[in-house]
Amino acid sequence: KAGVTQTPRYLIKTRGQQVTLSCSPISGHRSVSWYQQTPGQGLQFLFEYFSETQRNKGNFPGRFSGRQFSNSRSEMNVSTLELGDSALYLCASSSHLAGGPYNEQFFGPGTRLTVL
Amino acid sequence: AQSVAQPEDQVNVAEGNPLTVKCTYSVSGNPYLFWYVQYPNRGLQFLLKYITGDNLVKGSYGFEAEFNKSQTSFHLKKPSALVSDSALYFCAVRANSGYSTLTFGKGTMLLVSP
Repeated sequence: KAGVTQTPRYLIKTRGQQVTLSCSPISGHRSVSWYQQTPGQGLQFLFEYFSETQRNKGNFPGRFSGRQFSNSRSEMNVSTLELGDSALYLCASSSHLAGGPYNEQFFGPGTRLTVL
Repeated sequence: AQSVAQPEDQVNVAEGNPLTVKCTYSVSGNPYLFWYVQYPNRGLQFLLKYITGDNLVKGSYGFEAEFNKSQTSFHLKKPSALVSDSALYFCAVRANSGYSTLTFGKGTMLLVSP
């Protein structure tokens, strides 16, 4: 099976712009989660989707949003970018709702966002 | 709120020696516990998990972890370290009820010297 794919891999934006990141989960996986990874804060949970419904949301401002499509692909959007949004954004998929059973998550390689 | 503590930012060990990467957690109810590894410029890779049962869990690449409920710990171990084990290791916890999320520790950098 192909793994989790994320596009683009690298992105450079300027403050005030918006950005959309894409994630394609492993075939058959219906749960997608997003994380922000920074050196200072580690891995911070953004949101989780299952069957097109947002099941959980982390403690991030409303500038961060996401959605999931009927084919389980997911996108996240960050509007009005700030310098502090520079990070590695990781997407992970699992075969069940992440908050339910004990299935591990499979991570994509991430999108490296740099905000200038 | 659930949390994970990885008290060491970095662990240094010589190749061939045993290694331990520490993790303690806090969660309401019973935990599901995970270890992941991250190599440079890569996403996280799953190593092993504890769900229930035997407190000693064996995972990929010769790693194992011991669940200790009284000490709320889930330390990662390997009997003989390899230089290729050098990477960033994350411990994570999830409560086994409701729509709980996966909470990660800040990570421990493991450096194995030849």
